Amino acid sequence: GENVEQHPSTLSVQEGDSAVIKCTYSDSASNYFPWYKQELGKGPQLIIDIRSNVGEKKDQRIAVTLNKTAKHFSLHITETQPEDSAVYFCAAIHSGTYKYIFGTGTRLKVLA
Amino acid sequence: DAGVIQSPRHEVTEMGQEVTLRCKPISGHNSLFWYRQTMMRGLELLIYFNNNVPIDDSGMPEDRFSAKMPNASFSTLKIQPSEPRDSAVYFCASSLISGGSYEQYFGPGTRLTVT
Repeated sequence: GENVEQHPSTLSVQEGDSAVIKCTYSDSASNYFPWYKQELGKGPQLIIDIRSNVGEKKDQRIAVTLNKTAKHFSLHITETQPEDSAVYFCAAIHSGTYKYIFGTGTRLKVLA
Repeated sequence: DAGVIQSPRHEVTEMGQEVTLRCKPISGHNSLFWYRQTMMRGLELLIYFNNNVPIDDSGMPEDRFSAKMPNASFSTLKIQPSEPRDSAVYFCASSLISGGSYEQYFGPGTRLTVT
């Protein structure tokens, strides 16, 4: 079936450094790729998304890149801060439906 | 807007009891999704509705689980009878699906513990 692989599962960075999380999807017809941030005890929060007709999107310190040929997309967080510490999930929409296929999550720790 | 509202936030029940989880989607949204999150299986889609109609329930684990959406502002997920392996955090998400718009907004979740 369709799946989304996400790496790494855990990531520790020093405050101020950059963090990169990578995802690979299998459904070549997927056309929408959101990223969610989940803090402890809360629901996932949409932080940025990208559509298949765009290669890169930025929003302040976060950016997402998409390589349709390779079927992978990445989240980039620059100038990390302690409040960026959370679990991050990537997802791809299952073509022909409105269902998300989620990655397994990356636990990001930003060390002060 | 208050966002997606879920109740209760925490539920502890004994095996065999009926559990009902509730969700109020964001006003104006036309689609609603129920997810289950566990350490072992991550985020799993259980069922989703579009315009109050169940579209895909292939993720519902078994007949003990059922979901309804009687109107655009309310949905329930029921487990009867509950089992310890149902212990998880259950999320509801809503979306306004139109054209190329697919963003889903999650509620705070209900943490279910079945003893």
